[in-house]
Amino acid sequence: KQEVTQIPAALSVPEGENLVLNCSFTDSAIYNLQWFRQDPGKGLTSLLLIQSSQREQTSGRLNASLDKSSGRSTLYIAASQPGDSATYLCAVRRETSGSRLTFGEGTQLTVNP
Amino acid sequence: NAGVTQTPKFRILKIGQSMTLQCAQDMNHNYMYWYRQDPGMGLKLIYYSVGAGITDKGEVPNGYNVSRSTTEDFPLRLELAAPSQTSVYFCASSLTGTANLWYGYTFGSGTRLTVV
Repeated sequence: KQEVTQIPAALSVPEGENLVLNCSFTDSAIYNLQWFRQDPGKGLTSLLLIQSSQREQTSGRLNASLDKSSGRSTLYIAASQPGDSATYLCAVRRETSGSRLTFGEGTQLTVNP
Repeated sequence: NAGVTQTPKFRILKIGQSMTLQCAQDMNHNYMYWYRQDPGMGLKLIYYSVGAGITDKGEVPNGYNVSRSTTEDFPLRLELAAPSQTSVYFCASSLTGTANLWYGYTFGSGTRLTVV
């Protein structure tokens, strides 16, 4: 059974800091990994999607990396801003699960002005 | 371009009542999913569908039913609501993809359900 773990569960940083959110998964036989952002009381917004043959994806101040052999992904946020405050969830698509995603429990990020 | 639309946004049910959560997508996605999210927890898959007329159970299907008569709609039915079904429900959709060409999930904005 695939398990997805996100550490830390919560993180508070001052504005301007560069930070890394971690995601680990137990089954390395995955196709894709998708990072989402969730604002309080809202739905999930896709941030970055890493395809099977890719090792990283970048969008603006965000960079996500994927190392399937070690079962790890990181989401790097550069020059954090108060508007980045949200919960960040990672999800993996296993080779044996069709299009179903398995989600981690998320990291709640607070960026303080 | 509406994406995935869920209704209602909020609902309070009494124990034993029934209701249907609506989900519609306009992107011609063949896959659709229902997840529930409890406070401080990740998302748990309730049911999913790979196309019209085909549905299957996820991790936590007990107490729920689904149908998929069209590509666009995927309603979730709660029969005999229980306090344990208090949660936020999310519908999502996606396209069939390969390992290196997959476009990921699009989520609706959620339905917050309280059973009292």
